[in-house]
Amino acid sequence: KNQVEQSPQSLIILEGKNCTLQCNYTVSPFSNLRWYKQDTGRGPVSLTIMTFSENTKSNGRYTATLDADTKQSSLHITASQLSDSASYICVVQGNSGNTPLVFGKGTRLSVIA
Amino acid sequence: DGGITQSPKYLFRKEGQNVTLSCEQNLNHDAMYWYRQDPGQGLRLIYYSQIVNDFQKGDIAEGYSVSREKKESFPLTVTSAQKNPTAFYLCASRGRNTEAFFGQGTRLTVV
Repeated sequence: KNQVEQSPQSLIILEGKNCTLQCNYTVSPFSNLRWYKQDTGRGPVSLTIMTFSENTKSNGRYTATLDADTKQSSLHITASQLSDSASYICVVQGNSGNTPLVFGKGTRLSVIA
Repeated sequence: DGGITQSPKYLFRKEGQNVTLSCEQNLNHDAMYWYRQDPGQGLRLIYYSQIVNDFQKGDIAEGYSVSREKKESFPLTVTSAQKNPTAFYLCASRGRNTEAFFGQGTRLTVV
């Protein structure tokens, strides 16, 4: 069964600190992996999208990594800001162009002063 | 501006009533999706459509219905058969080989 597991479920960090969120998946065959940020009561917004051949991709203070062999991805946030408080969702797509996306349950990040 | 729009943002329904949530996109995307999100839970797929006049059930389709008469529109009807409809509903669209774009969501509350 295609699944996406994220850890930790929730995380609290001090402003200015770094953190890393994890995503493990069993979706096969694999097409791409996306990280989304979802503020409370809002729709998810894309941070990064990575295909099979990409190992690292950065978007400002966000850096995503992908190991397609071990089926693991991470999202690293540097110099966290209060506005980074949100849910971060890992989403994996199978190899068919229109395959429904498989969502993780997300990691709830709280950045405190 | 191109994008995906959900309406209304907040919706209240009496028990036993049907209600329809709107989702419109002007991104020329073929695929559209409806998800349900409950507090502290991940997104669960209700229905999806890969092309006009075609749609498939997702993981939790019972109590819901959809239509895809136009490429731009994918309305979701929450029927009285849905026993626990209070939730946050998200619509998304995606073109071939592009990322998914989400609407801002509709929060449905049964009163």
